[in-house]
Amino acid sequence: DTGVSQDPRHKITKRGQNVTFRCDPISEHNRLYWYRQTLGQGPEFLTYFQNEAQLEKSRLLSDRFSAERPKGSFSTLEIQRTEQGDSAMYLCASSSPLSGGTDTQYFGPGTRLTVL
Amino acid sequence: SQQGEEDPQALSIQEGENATMNCSYKTSINNLQWYRQNSGRGLVHLILIRSNEREKHSGRLRVTLDTSKKSSSLLITASRAADTASYFCATARGGDGLTFGKGTHLIIQP
Repeated sequence: DTGVSQDPRHKITKRGQNVTFRCDPISEHNRLYWYRQTLGQGPEFLTYFQNEAQLEKSRLLSDRFSAERPKGSFSTLEIQRTEQGDSAMYLCASSSPLSGGTDTQYFGPGTRLTVL
Repeated sequence: SQQGEEDPQALSIQEGENATMNCSYKTSINNLQWYRQNSGRGLVHLILIRSNEREKHSGRLRVTLDTSKKSSSLLITASRAADTASYFCATARGGDGLTFGKGTHLIIQP
């Protein structure tokens, strides 16, 4: 499977714990995006990387959230001191507009986080 | 904040009928994309239309874009049970992230 992959698919944690999610984009894609989706809503943009540079962060990304893409390939999203309001589906997407492609973003299956 | 607003929020039709969903947005865009999401799953890209395009087709899908009215429509012809899903429009202004609407939940009844 050469699509976007995310790990884990499900995560249940207790309030106050730290969690980390991983995203592996489509291999030739230089842009990687993180979104959050709550029940009944569309995805909301969190942040994006071009190669290893984090170019934009939404104001939704509080100080408890940090994302990295150290080698310009996979990315991690960490949430520290989780709160019940962090419960959501965390989606990763990738795109490659510079290699003759379009701005189309291809999404992974998501990581569903439940904070108890 | 969510820029796009899909209309209707929910739509139920008989298999074989056509389904039309509308999307309105607020700011200027580079392109508009439509995605499908089955229950509890990731988003599947359906079609992208650029700001200088007015209509685009892909199989049973037809998308229109009216930048003067800041609106788009998605038409699914000859609907099938497998088309049951939530449909989202998403707008892009540049290299940053997409702005999604709340979606239209489409139910195809056999």
